[in-house]
Amino acid sequence: KAGVTQTPRYLIKTRGQQVTLSCSPISGHRSVSWYQQTPGQGLQFLFEYFSETQRNKGNFPGRFSGRQFSNSRSEMNVSTLELGDSALYLCASSSRGVVVDTQYFGPGTRLTVL
Amino acid sequence: DQQVKQNSPSLSVQEGRISILNCDYTNSMFDYFLWYKKYPAEGPTFLISISSIKDKNEDGRFTVFLNKSAKHLSLHIVPSQPGDSAVYFCAASDEDGGSQGNLIFGKGTKLSVKP
Repeated sequence: KAGVTQTPRYLIKTRGQQVTLSCSPISGHRSVSWYQQTPGQGLQFLFEYFSETQRNKGNFPGRFSGRQFSNSRSEMNVSTLELGDSALYLCASSSRGVVVDTQYFGPGTRLTVL
Repeated sequence: DQQVKQNSPSLSVQEGRISILNCDYTNSMFDYFLWYKKYPAEGPTFLISISSIKDKNEDGRFTVFLNKSAKHLSLHIVPSQPGDSAVYFCAASDEDGGSQGNLIFGKGTKLSVKP
């Protein structure tokens, strides 16, 4: 089975721009979660999608948004980028999106905001 | 307020010895705990989990211990191998059947195993 893939792997943007990141989950997985990882804050939950519906959202501003398509692929969008948005963005997929299910993480997209 | 704390940012251990990674939590409602391992340029990988109805769970060289009264869990790696060098995250949830969005992660401990 192919693992979770994320594109692009690296991105450099400037303040004020917007960015779209993509995640393809493991085949058959319907839940996709997004996380932000920074050195100071560890992994912080952004949101989770299941069957094209956002089920949970973390404590991030509205500039962070996402969506999921019928094939379970997911995108996240960050608008009006700020320097503090520089981070590794990870997506993870699982079959049901519940805690006891194993989450499989992608390699992440490293976003640098200049 | 940090609900899951990994107070040691780094740990260095000799190959063949035991590695002990610690994690403390403040929310007494947490009842399911997980450990993830992360290599550079890769996403985290699930390692081992434990439910609050147990105080120990073992999987090969990896054992997780849970002390509910102290709100403390630890991951033991015996024997440690150079390939175990990675960042280890603990995570906790207050509902094992709940959403993965409820997982709270610690900031991680970087383990270095010296040959």
